[in-house]
Amino acid sequence: QKEVEQNSGPLSVPEGAIASLNCTYSDRGSQSFFWYRQYSGKSPELIMFIYSNGDKEDGRFTAQLNKASQYVSLLIRDSQPSDSATYLCAVRGSGYALNFGKGTSLLVTP
Amino acid sequence: KAGVTQTPRYLIKTRGQQVTLSCSPISGHRSVSWYQQTPGQGLQFLFEYFSETQRNKGNFPGRFSGRQFSNSRSEMNVSTLELGDSALYLCASSTLQGRSYNEQFFGPGTRLTVL
Repeated sequence: QKEVEQNSGPLSVPEGAIASLNCTYSDRGSQSFFWYRQYSGKSPELIMFIYSNGDKEDGRFTAQLNKASQYVSLLIRDSQPSDSATYLCAVRGSGYALNFGKGTSLLVTP
Repeated sequence: KAGVTQTPRYLIKTRGQQVTLSCSPISGHRSVSWYQQTPGQGLQFLFEYFSETQRNKGNFPGRFSGRQFSNSRSEMNVSTLELGDSALYLCASSTLQGRSYNEQFFGPGTRLTVL
């Protein structure tokens, strides 16, 4: 079973701080890594994705990959209360299917 | 452009019954994936269809099946429902083309409750 593991949280950070979310994956051959955000009662929405060849920054969000240790991180700078949600890490191995972690709940306190 | 739509949004069934859920992808999207989301197991991949062909299948029993029509709309069917099938069923569509290759857009989901 190829697994994606995330700490369920909740991770609580004050407004304006950096939130750091991590996930580990077991399939060493994975090539694509995704971060989704899911608000309570809503469906997941894609924040960003990276390939195995590099990190990516998009506005307040930065996704980083550590292939040697097989973990992916998402940094959220200047966290806002509106960032409070569950963050899902997903990994694509062979084929198109995404293997999701169970998500980390983030709470940004004013 | 309209998003992914799923019908019905809510469904209550009893054990042993069967159910059919429908998903209409974003116009022009030819790939449709189905996921089951439960509090205990999280989001789990069921299957993916592209141009009416099932290309990938997750680790679910044969009671779970699906199909895709020529207009890319997709249905999934669950037969002989069990209590453990209670979940949010999400459909996601993608173009699988160019810069949008990796983007899967999720529908609002169908909340299935099995009594």
